Amino acid sequence: AQSVTQPDIHITVSEGASLELRCNYSYGATPYLFWYVQSPGQGLQLLLKYFSGDTLVQGIKGFEAEFKRSQSSFNLRKPSVHWSDAAEYFCAVGPVVTGGGNKLTFGTGTQLKVEL
Amino acid sequence: SAVISQKPSRDICQRGTSLTIQCQVDSQVTMMFWYRQQPGQSLTLIATANQGSEATYESGFVIDKFPISRPNLTFSTLTVSNMSPEDSSIYLCSVQRPGSFNEQFFGPGTRLTVL
Repeated sequence: AQSVTQPDIHITVSEGASLELRCNYSYGATPYLFWYVQSPGQGLQLLLKYFSGDTLVQGIKGFEAEFKRSQSSFNLRKPSVHWSDAAEYFCAVGPVVTGGGNKLTFGTGTQLKVEL
Repeated sequence: SAVISQKPSRDICQRGTSLTIQCQVDSQVTMMFWYRQQPGQSLTLIATANQGSEATYESGFVIDKFPISRPNLTFSTLTVSNMSPEDSSIYLCSVQRPGSFNEQFFGPGTRLTVL
């Protein structure tokens, strides 16, 4: 069965500092990988996704993520954090299913706090 | 992406009652999903809402407790039946558009509190 591990429950960074949120997955093959962000009281917004090809993917709001097959990781990064980035971040994995549905499996989330 | 709305955005309900949550999408979609997010927790898939047929439920979720309707390609409802305080959660619907690589777009969620 597929699973996702986000080892950091809480992370605090200073505004302007760089950020890396960790995500490790377990899956029998190369899955589809996603990062979502959830601001307080909001639904989930898709930040970026990896399907195939270039292992460094760019997303919205200046975020990027790198897929490393050898480490089964898909870490999210941002060079300079803004106070508005404070939110909860979820990594998710989905199977590669041609023409079928998808069951996303979510990690437990990382709560990001930004200090001014 | 897709524009997804949910009604109600929040509600406070009494134990033993039922609440129906609506999910409306601005375009036709193949797959619609319902998730539960308990306080401080991640998202757990409840079921996949299939158009024209019964929903497909995940382990631990049953139709009697969470009946789902999907009358067309843009609309679905989730009912939380015979509620207890343990049902207090955020309920989110998500959609997957035709031809997309399994990426899902989420509605804003319905925050349910059961007293």
